Amino acid sequence: SQQGEEDPQALSIQEGENATMNCSYKTSINNLQWYRQNSGRGLVHLILIRSNEREKHSGRLRVTLDTSKKSSSLLITASRAADTASYFCATDARGSSNTGKLIFGQGTTLQVKP
Amino acid sequence: DGGITQSPKYLFRKEGQNVTLSCEQNLNHDAMYWYRQDPGQGLRLIYYSQIVNDFQKGDIAEGYSVSREKKESFPLTVTSAQKNPTAFYLCASRPGQNNSPLHFGNGTRLTVT
Repeated sequence: SQQGEEDPQALSIQEGENATMNCSYKTSINNLQWYRQNSGRGLVHLILIRSNEREKHSGRLRVTLDTSKKSSSLLITASRAADTASYFCATDARGSSNTGKLIFGQGTTLQVKP
Repeated sequence: DGGITQSPKYLFRKEGQNVTLSCEQNLNHDAMYWYRQDPGQGLRLIYYSQIVNDFQKGDIAEGYSVSREKKESFPLTVTSAQKNPTAFYLCASRPGQNNSPLHFGNGTRLTVT
């Protein structure tokens, strides 16, 4: 399997704290995406970072990408109880971008306590 | 409202029966995908279709079948040949452009006893 690895598997923090999740992958990529999943629901796209980018921001989200280490991190600043969800990274292997096939990590379950 | 609709939300079947999961999108997206999610796991690709009347196997296609007769619809049949069919099934779509993100439905939870 080419699935990525995410750590930690579970993270519990207090509201207002920052949450950092990490993702590692195995193959060269065109881009890396982060998705969020509320319990029992579908995934929602959060942010996409291309292989030639090192950092990207969207609101309270900050994503970094280190292609030399084949790793990415997602930082959620000033967390809120509503951020409680599972977060997944997904990569498209270089050469497969025209198919849209994504390889998903196993996810980090984030709990933000009010 | 544009989106992807999966139905039903919960589905119960007896072992040995085939069952078809519905996925409909009104986003005018070219490509559609079926993923399977097991508890505490990531998503695994079952089948995908980039254009009407064409589809390809994903990583875990055995025991599943699909059709893509219309752009809007990509039904998934879970056959009796699938050894462990109980799972959460997610349908997704995307426009034809490269690097565009996936749009997901809210899933169907299938339980086979």
